[in-house]
Amino acid sequence: DAGVIQSPRHEVTEMGQEVTLRCKPISGHNSLFWYRQTMMRGLELLIYFNNNVPIDDSGMPEDRFSAKMPNASFSTLKIQPSEPRDSAVYFCASSLQKNTGELFFGEGSRLTVL
Amino acid sequence: EDQVTQSPEALRLQEGESSSLNCSYTVSGLRGLFWYRQDPGKGPEFLFTLYSAGEEKEKERLKATLTKKESFLHITAPKPEDSATYLCAVGDKIIFGKGTRLHILP
Repeated sequence: DAGVIQSPRHEVTEMGQEVTLRCKPISGHNSLFWYRQTMMRGLELLIYFNNNVPIDDSGMPEDRFSAKMPNASFSTLKIQPSEPRDSAVYFCASSLQKNTGELFFGEGSRLTVL
Repeated sequence: EDQVTQSPEALRLQEGESSSLNCSYTVSGLRGLFWYRQDPGKGPEFLFTLYSAGEEKEKERLKATLTKKESFLHITAPKPEDSATYLCAVGDKIIFGKGTRLHILP
């Protein structure tokens, strides 16, 4: 199995630009999570989906952030417009059984907003 | 609101020097406490799930234990390859602590 696949691995953009991060979960997994990691705040949950439906988006910082999961094999996290404080590593994770706590993480997308 | 506090923030040990990492939590109805390992530049990797006080799980040199208020990750005779950040998480939404950066000196 290829694991959770994220793209791009690195993104450098200028303030005000739109950023789209992509995630392909492990086939057969029914839960998908988006996290953001910074030194100051650690690993923060942004949103999670169950069977392609957003269950909790209370961690999404503001309206500039949006996430979609159009089908079981693809999700996007979009930031529009981006700001320097959005600079972080964004992780996608998927799970077969969420209540086991066993999430499989991708390698992350490192975003730098200048 | 579910909260997780890990200590210490960083720990340096000599190879073979055993120690413990702490994870204190507050959660409305524990449905599991989870430990992960994260290597630099990588995503976290799942280690253990503990469901109830008194439960223990082991994997190689790592042993995780759980009480009603906290969990410990005991590292016995660590090796340099055990160097990583160790994260714990709790709750239905799987909320993570900030982690303990562990460095094992050869």
